[in-house]
Amino acid sequence: DTAVSQTPKYLVTQMGNDKSIKCEQNLGHDTMYWYKQDSKKFLKIMFSYNNKELIINETVPNRFSPKSPDKAHLNLHINSLELGDSAVYFCASRSGTVAYEQYFGPGTRLTVT
Amino acid sequence: GENVEQHPSTLSVQEGDSAVIKCTYSDSASNYFPWYKQELGKGPQLIIDIRSNVGEKKDQRIAVTLNKTAKHFSLHITETQPEDSAVYFCAAIGNDMRFGAGTRLTVKP
Repeated sequence: DTAVSQTPKYLVTQMGNDKSIKCEQNLGHDTMYWYKQDSKKFLKIMFSYNNKELIINETVPNRFSPKSPDKAHLNLHINSLELGDSAVYFCASRSGTVAYEQYFGPGTRLTVT
Repeated sequence: GENVEQHPSTLSVQEGDSAVIKCTYSDSASNYFPWYKQELGKGPQLIIDIRSNVGEKKDQRIAVTLNKTAKHFSLHITETQPEDSAVYFCAAIGNDMRFGAGTRLTVKP
């Protein structure tokens, strides 16, 4: 009965590859987010989706593309992976009726070699 | 965009002591201030929040204070326990959402 789940938990891949991280929430929330947490633990918002519409894009390289097949899912696709993409990526969701209270997934640790 | 500064970056206390983490923000439009606790290998979890129309909020050993005039808000943990050890993030939400850089709290038994 996990509220926000992500797969995979760990992802090790080589430079230049294309990979996807999946996120699902079973809370019925309207908005979902992707965050990147670097080695210094700094959390930076990458994207958010509200009713399948991208509403935030924080100057993320266009190699990153969020894809939302439905309201419960927001996947993150990354093309041409670079060493600097190594980080922990968190998915989060929130309800439109409870302003700003976000629920985070467990994270996906991406390592690019 | 708004910046959120968080201090200290690391904090070590003895079990039973109090811990205080402070954040400052710059956007006057900020009206919601959550605090998150992130344990090793897990995602951030909301532990307490405060809205701009309130100066203080308490939940058992955790309290948050807000000074809107000075644009400061703080997290106070009393009677700390080893399981309080984690990274704590503040955030300020107004026109957008910005996180502080985090504070690694270590509670020594």
